[in-house]
Amino acid sequence: ILNVEQSPQSLHVQEGDSTNFTCSFPSSNFYALHWYRWETAKSPEALFVMTLNGDEKKKGRISATLNTKEGYSYLYIKGSQPEDSATYLCASNAGGTSYGKLTFGQGTILTVHP
Amino acid sequence: NAGVTQTPKFQVLKTGQSMTLQCAQDMNHEYMSWYRQDPGMGLRLIHYSVGAGITDQGEVPNGYNVSRSTTEDFPLRLLSAAPSQTSVYFCASSYPKGGQETQYFGPGTRLLVL
Repeated sequence: ILNVEQSPQSLHVQEGDSTNFTCSFPSSNFYALHWYRWETAKSPEALFVMTLNGDEKKKGRISATLNTKEGYSYLYIKGSQPEDSATYLCASNAGGTSYGKLTFGQGTILTVHP
Repeated sequence: NAGVTQTPKFQVLKTGQSMTLQCAQDMNHEYMSWYRQDPGMGLRLIHYSVGAGITDQGEVPNGYNVSRSTTEDFPLRLLSAAPSQTSVYFCASSYPKGGQETQYFGPGTRLLVL
């Protein structure tokens, strides 16, 4: 079982602030790192899948970077808006299997105050 | 497309009762999974399937059975419910992508075992 850790557990920011949080995962047998966004009363939705060291993905104001050698990924939100309030989950594949048996972190709960 | 559907949305059981959580997807995805979500613990994989007739255990399989007779359906059975199985259950599906599969989640089933 992989150990995927996210920090911080929760974060409160003001509208317009930029913010970032961290996902750490075992760097050995790395296959892919996933980020999901989970709004209250909805289902988790995929943001990014990242596989290569140094990968950087962007979707609107949200971006993510990946360091597979040291086993971490950062998620950045530029100019946070209240609608960005959600739980952000990262997940890592268990060791190169063709089916991604994802191990999820516990999530970072982001609250953006107007 | 309806995507991934789950029934029921909410269920209350007494200890020792059995029930089946239904999951269906209409995206012709080969892979399907069941997760449970508990406070502070993120999503944990219960069972998964890489195709009709093929299932395997995830991180927390005890107390749960699955079968996959069709591509569309992946029911989760609780044979004898226990209070420790009180949780929110999510079904997810994906298509093969060499370990980079994005999971599409259903709306969840909230289960309370008394």
